[in-house]
Amino acid sequence: KAGVTQTPRYLIKTRGQQVTLSCSPISGHRSVSWYQQTPGQGLQFLFEYFSETQRNKGNFPGRFSGRQFSNSRSEMNVSTLELGDSALYLCASSRRNSGTGAYEQYFGPGTRLTVT
Amino acid sequence: AQSVTQLDSHVSVSEGTPVLLRCNYSSSYSPSLFWYVQHPNKGLQLLLKYTSAATLVKGINGFEAEFKKSETSFHLTKPSAHMSDAAEYFCVVSDQNNQGGKLIFGQGTELSVKP
Repeated sequence: KAGVTQTPRYLIKTRGQQVTLSCSPISGHRSVSWYQQTPGQGLQFLFEYFSETQRNKGNFPGRFSGRQFSNSRSEMNVSTLELGDSALYLCASSRRNSGTGAYEQYFGPGTRLTVT
Repeated sequence: AQSVTQLDSHVSVSEGTPVLLRCNYSSSYSPSLFWYVQHPNKGLQLLLKYTSAATLVKGINGFEAEFKKSETSFHLTKPSAHMSDAAEYFCVVSDQNNQGGKLIFGQGTELSVKP
């Protein structure tokens, strides 16, 4: 089974621009979560989408937004980029384990965003 | 609220010696706990998970972890380190209020393996 894919893998943008990142989940997974990884703050949860609806949201400003399509693919958008938005953005897809009832998240390789 | 604390930011071992990466958790509920590994410039790979079944959990690549409720710990171990184990390891708890969609990460432990 194919894993989680993210595009693009690397991106360089200028302050003030906006950016859109894409994530394709594992086939059959309906939940997609997004995380930001930086050396200073570590891994932080951005938001989760399930069946095209935002189900959970982290503590990020409104410049960070996302959406999910009917095929479960997800995009996240960052508007008015700031230098501090430079990070590795990871997406993860998951489904509930019918045996244990727990969710297991599987991560993509990430998109490395550099803001200059 | 749930949280995890990784007690060591960096651990260095020699190849062939045991590995111990320590993690304590805080949770009001019976937690779902995970260990993930991240190799340089790569995404996160799930090593193992605890979901209230057996307290000793076996994962991939010879890693295992033991859930100890009395000590609120979930330490990761491996009997014999390999050079390819050098990476960053994250102890993670699933936020039970968020239907599994939100993971809370520890700060990570960088494992170095000396030849």
